[in-house]
Amino acid sequence: DTEVTQTPKHLVMGMTNKKSLKCEQHMGHRAMYWYKQKAKKPPELMFVYSYEKLSINESVPSRFSPECPNSSLLNLHLHALQPEDSALYLCASSPEGHDRDTQYFGPGTRLTVL
Amino acid sequence: GDSVTQMEGPVTLSEEAFLTINCTYTATGYPSLFWYVQYPGEGLQLLLKATKADDKGSNKGFEATYRKETTSFHLEKGSVQVSDSAVYFCALSRISGTYKYIFGTGTRLKVLA
Repeated sequence: DTEVTQTPKHLVMGMTNKKSLKCEQHMGHRAMYWYKQKAKKPPELMFVYSYEKLSINESVPSRFSPECPNSSLLNLHLHALQPEDSALYLCASSPEGHDRDTQYFGPGTRLTVL
Repeated sequence: GDSVTQMEGPVTLSEEAFLTINCTYTATGYPSLFWYVQYPGEGLQLLLKATKADDKGSNKGFEATYRKETTSFHLEKGSVQVSDSAVYFCALSRISGTYKYIFGTGTRLKVLA
């Protein structure tokens, strides 16, 4: 398995809803990332997990809550989002060894907050 | 701080034309450099990378050479196809505990038949 998968592909939620995004990889990668990408912009880093521990939080609002239950799975829990949080949310992972500076991205979850 | 600058788009070319998308960077140390491609409605796909000066990354007919003297990593392809229409991102990686990417703003390429 050589890919990063993300579910759901699309998500529409109200501002009072609680939802979760899921990311999975079975490549044995030990670093996983969440990015937010607005239209016509580059991805912006939100969180980095290394060996299932949160290593970077780019000052993301607490309405976004990441979780890494195991080395293959990364979740992003969403609560009380705002319409401006509507974006494409991308997950990525990177391996150990000589290729550890390379990130492999999933297809993303397109989130719309009403 | 580290930064990546890409040429403004959109770039519009006819099929079989030569493509160059400029990318320059500012960085301390010796970062790895990357080109990613994003097709409409999709995530980013790694196109190619180079890890040290004078390295040439290549994939699917695309090439880029890591030029330390000009701090550049320009993307080239000899003959573009309609299917190459996408947004191309240049990026560098730097270590901050783990690796972080600095992305350029992206260049949209449109290839006409």
